[in-house]
Amino acid sequence: EDQVTQSPEALRLQEGESSSLNCSYTVSGLRGLFWYRQDPGKGPEFLFTLYSAGEEKEKERLKATLTKKESFLHITAPKPEDSATYLCAVRVTQGGSEKLVFGKGTKLTVNP
Amino acid sequence: ETGVTQTPRHLVMGMTNKKSLKCEQHLGHNAMYWYKQSAKKPLELMFVYNFKEQTENNSVPSRFSPECPNSSHLFLHLHTLQPEDSALYLCASSQDSSLQLGEQFFGPGTRLTVL
Repeated sequence: EDQVTQSPEALRLQEGESSSLNCSYTVSGLRGLFWYRQDPGKGPEFLFTLYSAGEEKEKERLKATLTKKESFLHITAPKPEDSATYLCAVRVTQGGSEKLVFGKGTKLTVNP
Repeated sequence: ETGVTQTPRHLVMGMTNKKSLKCEQHLGHNAMYWYKQSAKKPLELMFVYNFKEQTENNSVPSRFSPECPNSSHLFLHLHTLQPEDSALYLCASSQDSSLQLGEQFFGPGTRLTVL
């Protein structure tokens, strides 16, 4: 069964304190890994897509990396506005159709 | 309007009511999706439409009935819901349902409460 596990469930950081969020997956044939940011009361906002092991993408203070078993979202010198829930999803083929399988997310709180 | 819009943003209904959720995308995409997001659970895919044709029904109870009149509009008709159906219902769109041409873009969601 295709599974996506995110850790930790929640993370509290001080402003400027760098850290990483983890997304591990067990799928039969990865066809893309997606990171989203979700603010309270809003829909997920797309951040990155990664397709192959070794690939990296950056956006402001965020950097996503991918290995054959997991992805990391590195947050460098975070600011309070980075507080949100970060969702990881993998694209898989199930029953002949393609779909996204999501993890439960990591709730990040950055204190000033 | 830009992106993906959803109305209403909040909905409270009794178990005997009939209501509909509306989603509209302004991105020129061909695929649209309904997801359910409950507390402490991952997003659950409910339905997929590609070029107005339903391509996925993820074992969703019949009290949820989707409708896609064109590639820009998606509805979710609700009737005789249960309290456990209370959740955030998210609509998304992508270039096509294979996702080969890009990621999914989400609307802000409808917060549904069933009394």
